[in-house]
Amino acid sequence: DVKVTQSSRYLVKRTGEKVFLECVQDMDHENMFWYRQDPGLGLRLIYFSYDVKMKEKGDIPEGYSVSREKKERFSLILESASTNQTSMYLCASSFGGNPSYEQYFGPGTRLTVT
Amino acid sequence: KQEVTQIPAALSVPEGENLVLNCSFTDSAIYNLQWFRQDPGKGLTSLLLIQSSQREQTSGRLNASLDKSSGRSTLYIAASQPGDSATYLCAVRDDYKLSFGAGTTVTVRA
Repeated sequence: DVKVTQSSRYLVKRTGEKVFLECVQDMDHENMFWYRQDPGLGLRLIYFSYDVKMKEKGDIPEGYSVSREKKERFSLILESASTNQTSMYLCASSFGGNPSYEQYFGPGTRLTVT
Repeated sequence: KQEVTQIPAALSVPEGENLVLNCSFTDSAIYNLQWFRQDPGKGLTSLLLIQSSQREQTSGRLNASLDKSSGRSTLYIAASQPGDSATYLCAVRDDYKLSFGAGTTVTVRA
């Protein structure tokens, strides 16, 4: 079975802190994604990566950056956390080269910024 | 820009009744459509993946149909059980990303 894990289930941070959310997949997937989920707005894509050190902006990249130094790991970075970044963050991965491949999701990290 | 709509937003049925969940999308140029289940506070579990060339997919009590030309998909869950209570999301893949609907929250009453 594909396994996508996220470093924390719950996280509480203060405004202005630098926050790292980590995601690891064990299926040698080329593509990895970060989404956030908010009530009434659904899931929205923040960033995705199609290879090591490669990244593309999604729909809402402002206030976020990402890092992919190894194929299995994709990090989401909040440079200076703000209260409007309180949300559920979901990581996903899939094989690359063909958009028909299924995306697999991790358990999510619920981040609260106070 | 792809828009995905799910109707109804919420549904409550007695145990044993069949469930019908609807999903519509505005741009028919999709690669595939996925149905997911999400339990409160949890991540997404993939239920079914329908490729754009397919008309339907089945897994156990679940059956999903796809009419790409009209921009519609329907998820059928037969003989519902209280354990089916969850939010069901559909998502369409065009190019690199998934576009999600807001979900249908299902409650199955024992």
